[in-house]
Amino acid sequence: GAVVSQHPSWVICKSGTSVKIECRSLDFQATTMFWYRQFPKQSLMLMATSNEGSKATYEQGVEKDKFLINHASLTLSTLTVTSAHPEDSSFYICSARVASGSTEAFFGQGTRLTVV
Amino acid sequence: DAKTTQPTSMDCAEGRAANLPCNHSTISGNEYVYWYRQIHSQGPQYIIHGLKNNETNEMASLIITEDRKSSTLILPHATLRDTAVYYCIVRVGGGNQGGKLIFGQGTELSVKP
Repeated sequence: GAVVSQHPSWVICKSGTSVKIECRSLDFQATTMFWYRQFPKQSLMLMATSNEGSKATYEQGVEKDKFLINHASLTLSTLTVTSAHPEDSSFYICSARVASGSTEAFFGQGTRLTVV
Repeated sequence: DAKTTQPTSMDCAEGRAANLPCNHSTISGNEYVYWYRQIHSQGPQYIIHGLKNNETNEMASLIITEDRKSSTLILPHATLRDTAVYYCIVRVGGGNQGGKLIFGQGTELSVKP
């Protein structure tokens, strides 16, 4: 299957700072990318959907000003957690899809964010 | 959005077939059933998907009932490395948001020696 890479794999930051997570599709062009968050022993929760060149669509309850998503190219989407707080500590996962209506989505390996 | 229900956990002996059930009684006619699995602290891995016909690939088989209200994922010869949380998902939406995957709680499969 296609490869989706996230960077960094883990990050520790101080409360109040911002953290940027990158999601890259390595061998295909991703018109749509999705960002998920997963707390310990819970399932993945969809945060937002981003389409290349347009604004992201956020799920209900997700603060768009806190979780900034940029999908500026067909191979890169970024999630910036602004003014991070300890409650933002979580496992963030992205996935990418080749084209609208295509079959499976491919997932990155995830980024473990710890805010201290 | 169509929802799925799965058992919370299952055990399987190594080398035996693992049969993971999923109910999706409100599935629409054009919605696919997808299966992913997540090994601890990793991103989900695609396994298989289907619409109404049974499907098989190198990883697993997917059996979908004729009324499409339920399905079963079959791992023919489970190994210890198949221990993971398995998610049955019905793909939702269309247009620019088409294909977003909404995860339920999944089934935690433990393969035991």
